[in-house]
Amino acid sequence: EIVLTQSPGTLSLSPGERATLSCRASQSVSSRYLAWYQQKPGQAPRLLIHGASSRATGIPDRFSGSGSATDFTLSISRLEPEDFAVYYCQQYGSSLYTFGQGTKLEIK
Amino acid sequence: QVQFVQSGAEVKRPGASVKVSCKASGYTFSNYAIHWVRQAPGQRLEWMGWVSGDRGNTKYSEKFQGRVTMTRDTSATTAYMELSSLRSEDTAVYYCARFPADAFDMWGQGTMVTVSS
Repeated sequence: EIVLTQSPGTLSLSPGERATLSCRASQSVSSRYLAWYQQKPGQAPRLLIHGASSRATGIPDRFSGSGSATDFTLSISRLEPEDFAVYYCQQYGSSLYTFGQGTKLEIK
Repeated sequence: QVQFVQSGAEVKRPGASVKVSCKASGYTFSNYAIHWVRQAPGQRLEWMGWVSGDRGNTKYSEKFQGRVTMTRDTSATTAYMELSSLRSEDTAVYYCARFPADAFDMWGQGTMVTVSS
């Protein structure tokens, strides 16, 4: 099973700043099957990025994804108040689906 | 629009079973599998398995094999997840979701299952 490790665990930033979140895989992941989700308290996860770098429908262009093989990054160019949430990466491979442990993005 | 509406919160005793439903709408139900993902308090999301919308084929995570049963009713466009031999560690929010191509694009609102004596 591929283990995804996200860093940092918590990221404290101010609105308007840039956020960079990391997701590292224990073995190579197909970029096609690397996704990022945003989750707010009491809500289901929301798809942000699929295929490592493609924004889902309706996602603002301040969100971007990059990376390949074992290292992937989610960037948020200018933080808005509604962006403070928990972010998860997720991969699919060998008929299994795994998630990272999450990065909490909090207001500084 | 695509929507999943799940059944309400449940409280169960250890050793009991729970069955959660997920009503789908806004797309052709038989075209996609319904996946189940759970999230225990403070824990990462955990994939449990899927049931196909057309033939009812299933694939379960090894962790839940033998304890989980996923079914669907095509006439009701509803999927079900039943988990047996419940223990306290099964206390979690259970989500249904769709994985049409390369990611989970739509999710239900979640069902809280509490296992407590």
